[in-house]
Amino acid sequence: EVQLLESGGGLVQPGGSLRLSCAVSGFTFNSYAMSWVRQAPGKGLEWVSVLSGTGGITYDADSVKGRFIISRDISKNTLYLQMNSLRADDTAVYYCARHSGSWLQQFDSWGQGALVSVSS
Amino acid sequence: QSVLTQPPSASGTPGQRVTISCSGSSSNIGSNTVTWYQQFPGTAPKLLIYSNDQRPSGVPDRFSGSKSGTSASLAISGLQSEAEADYYCATWDDGLNGWVFGGGTKLTVL
Repeated sequence: EVQLLESGGGLVQPGGSLRLSCAVSGFTFNSYAMSWVRQAPGKGLEWVSVLSGTGGITYDADSVKGRFIISRDISKNTLYLQMNSLRADDTAVYYCARHSGSWLQQFDSWGQGALVSVSS
Repeated sequence: QSVLTQPPSASGTPGQRVTISCSGSSSNIGSNTVTWYQQFPGTAPKLLIYSNDQRPSGVPDRFSGSKSGTSASLAISGLQSEAEADYYCATWDDGLNGWVFGGGTKLTVL
């Protein structure tokens, strides 16, 4: 069974940093692209970043480019999102999601989400 | 402002057929396949339709998808109260080099 479990969310001050983790199981991690998708309170879904199955290609939304970094540790079966220079509008539930293959394919499995609140 | 445009709300009575539209452009829907997600309050989204019109195993055939040009639609037939949820369309955008979502449609079963 495919499982994705996010952790690392919490309250952080504007300008601060936070690292989210997504522990995966039930599939071969380096065979699938992985994304982070966020949802601000009461708002819709917003894609954040994607990492290819090979780990060699990443794309980021313009809203986080230069501030967020997606990465993974194959040995730990864990996906990360390093978030720097956080702003109030980064407040959201962050989901990790698996693509069915390449980053062009659908998100077929989602974690339960981790809440990040940016406030002073 | 979302790149893909969906109506903010839709409604229908039990047994009815409702459709939700998703409008994009040549760089997204016009060039790539469309996916649809269902989300209940406080829970993670769930894949409903992929490759424009394909259903994952376990998704009832009451749900169907279609695409034409730069627009796509999700249809729900034999509407049931359990379908009351938020629905999002999404696809890859070749110009933005990223995934784009519609703003979401809240479906109410009257």
